[in-house]
Amino acid sequence: DIQMTQSPSSLSASVGDRVTITCRASQGIRNDLGWYQQKPGKAPKRLIYAASSLQSGVPSRFSGSGSGTEFILAISSLQPEDFATYYCLQNNSFPRTFGQGTKVEIK
Amino acid sequence: EVQLVESGGGLVQPGGSLRLSCAASGFTFSNYWMTWVRQAPGKGLEWVANIKPDGSDKYCVDSVRGRFTISRDNAKNSLYLQMNSLRVDDTAMYYCATGGGAPASWGQGTLVTVSS
Repeated sequence: DIQMTQSPSSLSASVGDRVTITCRASQGIRNDLGWYQQKPGKAPKRLIYAASSLQSGVPSRFSGSGSGTEFILAISSLQPEDFATYYCLQNNSFPRTFGQGTKVEIK
Repeated sequence: EVQLVESGGGLVQPGGSLRLSCAASGFTFSNYWMTWVRQAPGKGLEWVANIKPDGSDKYCVDSVRGRFTISRDNAKNSLYLQMNSLRVDDTAMYYCATGGGAPASWGQGTLVTVSS
């Protein structure tokens, strides 16, 4: 199975900050990666697919990059509605595997 | 608009069974891979199973293999998860989602609690 290691597990940031979250795969997965945002009590929401493609309707302050084994989700200017938990998901092979999550909290 | 509505969750004793359903609308269900994902209370997301559009191929995580079965009825626009031999660690919110890669649309989930 492919292991996805996400870092950091949590971070504190202020509105307007630039934030980056990293996901590392235990083996190469090309660009077969998605990023999700989840707020408490809600279903996950897809932000990014194919590592860097922005989901329709998602603000352009979100961006994804990377290929192979290292991937980054960036939020260019953190907004109050962005405080949530973020997950990466590899869809290169079965079983699909998620990162353990990054909780973004208000500083 | 894509809509996914899960049902069938509830409280069940260890060793028991449940059948989850996901009613789909707003898209051509028979053209899409479908996925089940679960989330234990306070924990992260865990991919559970995928099924091909025509139901001919299915994949699942090792921890549920032999106990859970994913299936679909394209005539009824419905996805299912038959869960047998349930264990306490199967307690989770179960989500259905569209797509077999990085699923795009998700339902609101149905809660399964396994407890004596």
